[in-house]
This record gives sequence, structure tokens and C-alpha cells, in this order.
Amino acid sequence: AQSVTQPDIHITVSEGASLELRCNYSYGATPYLFWYVQSPGQGLQLLLKYFSGDTLVQGIKGFEAEFKRSQSSFNLRKPSVHWSDAAEYFCAVVPTGSGGGADGLTFGKGTHLIIQP
Amino acid sequence: EPEVTQTPSHQVTQMGQEVILRCVPISNHLYFYWYRQILGQKVEFLVSFYNNEISEKSEIFDDQFSVERPDGSNFTLKIRSTKLEDSAMYFCASDQIGGNEQFFGPGTRLTVL
Repeated sequence: AQSVTQPDIHITVSEGASLELRCNYSYGATPYLFWYVQSPGQGLQLLLKYFSGDTLVQGIKGFEAEFKRSQSSFNLRKPSVHWSDAAEYFCAVVPTGSGGGADGLTFGKGTHLIIQP
Repeated sequence: EPEVTQTPSHQVTQMGQEVILRCVPISNHLYFYWYRQILGQKVEFLVSFYNNEISEKSEIFDDQFSVERPDGSNFTLKIRSTKLEDSAMYFCASDQIGGNEQFFGPGTRLTVL
């Protein structure tokens, strides 16, 4: 069965510093990959996604992620974090070729990002 | 920008009672989903729905759960006899066919006493 691992439960970063959140997946074939952000009391907002092609994908709010097939990883990065980036970040996967279909997303356990002033 | 909406935002119920959680997906989307997130845990897939029937469901989605699209706009999740462990945030999502991008609603927090 597919699984998603986010090894860091909490990460603390100073405002203005760079950020990298790790995500590894275990799946038979490369799935479609997503990063979602959840602010306190809010729903899930899609930051970015990877289906195929260029392995470096750009998302909203200045985030980017790099897909590395050899490492089964899809790490999220931001060059300079802002206090408003404090939130829970979830990596998620869905089987390739779902075609907008019925497969549910499999989520990691999330990484709680704390921003220090 | 179109969005998924959910009502109510917070539902409190007694153990053993039935609850219905409501969602209005984005209007041109054809696939609908329910997820839950127990406090402090990850988001878990419950069920997907397409063409007026369940497409996939997880092992969590047992006989006490049901889904329905009673009209052209609403998508509901019914929990027949709630248990304490059903307390969670329930998220609805929708996806345009071929889109592979699920849009999530703000969630309904269900508290079972």
C-alpha cells in the first residue's frame, strides 16, 4: 500500500530564513504529488502539484518543490519565510493516471511549521 | 473564485445520534470526496463519489456511514449512530474530471459527547 512519510513533526525557522520540508513516498509507480497547507482552523489549500515534466515545480506563496525519483522524495522549499507561513503542511499522493478520478489522496502526518521572530 | 462550502462549521451531538454533514462542491466538478482528520492526526480518505454512486471507500467508511447527492448541488455525509471516536474534522473535496486537483472545503468540526 502506498504511504507518505513526513519525518519532521515540528520545524522552527526564523523569519527570513530558508525552509525545507521533507516528504518521501512509497509507491509502486511515481504517483501524482501534492503539497497542501492548513492554517489554524482552516481547510486545506493546495500549494503546488507534480504530475510529470520539469522536476522543479513552482507554487503559490513563493513555495517550490523538487521531485527526485531516485530518492522517492518531493521536498517543499521556500527561500525566505514570513510569519504568515506558520501552519501545518501536508504532503499527499494519488495514483498516477487517476484522471481526476475516484482515488482518494493519501496524506502524510504533516509538519507543523513555527516561525520565530 | 469558486470554492467548496460546508455546513455547519461545528456540530455537537450525543453519542448514538445521527448526523448529516453538508457540502456544496464547485459547480462544474464531477468527483466528490469526504475526508476526516482526528485532532492532531493526519487527514484520512473516507469515500469518493462519482455519477451518483460510491467509487472508492476506505476501511474507515463502514456501514454507519453513507453519502448522497440529493440534488444538483449538495453532497452529504451521514453518520447513522455516532460514536465518541467519530469526533473529528470532516472535509469535503471536489475535483473536475481530469483535473487531478481536489479542492477542499473549510471543514465541519464534529464533536460527539
